[in-house]
Amino acid sequence: GAVVSQHPSWVICKSGTSVKIECRSLDFQATTMFWYRQFPKQSLMLMATSNEGSKATYEQGVEKDKFLINHASLTLSTLTVTSAHPEDSSFYICSATLGVYGYTFGSGTRLTVV
Amino acid sequence: AQKITQTQPGMFVQEKEAVTLDCTYDTSDPSYGLFWYKQPSSGEMIFLIYQGSYDQQNATEGRYSLNFQKARKSANLVISASQLGDSAMYFCAMRPSSYKLIFGSGTRLLVRP
Repeated sequence: GAVVSQHPSWVICKSGTSVKIECRSLDFQATTMFWYRQFPKQSLMLMATSNEGSKATYEQGVEKDKFLINHASLTLSTLTVTSAHPEDSSFYICSATLGVYGYTFGSGTRLTVV
Repeated sequence: AQKITQTQPGMFVQEKEAVTLDCTYDTSDPSYGLFWYKQPSSGEMIFLIYQGSYDQQNATEGRYSLNFQKARKSANLVISASQLGDSAMYFCAMRPSSYKLIFGSGTRLLVRP
């Protein structure tokens, strides 16, 4: 089946540094990738939609300069949290649409900013 | 407005019994899809079942069935013969015409032995 590999699974970084999260589609071409953020015991909130070869579309209230999304190829989309702060600590998860067949999700990244 | 509502923050069920998790939705799109996902403590999203807005019959996948009532805009998940491994967070989600999946707030299910 269609698999999205997400790395790293967890990361701890110092406040002020940047962190890059990668999502790779292993056996299919992901033209569209969605990035979600999930706080503990809460739902998944859509942050942005990335389409291969074009700029990402951010949801209202999401800082595009803080959460840089790049979708340079059909198999790789990245989310970079720039100048991370403790309030950016969260669970980040990507998802690729399979059209009418639904969605496939990465395994998620737990980010802790100290 | 597109919205998914799950009114049960937490549910308990006895092992081997059935449980229903509620989900209502709101959309003006004529075509949409409804999903249920299971999220264990590891965080991965596990697809359970899908119902298309034009599907005449309720979807079933093993122990999971979806009670789809289009007029009431509800898509409840029924888990039969609960198992201890079913303890997890369950999310109802809707795919509108934009294909941006919208999630409900989730229901935490705990299966008692």
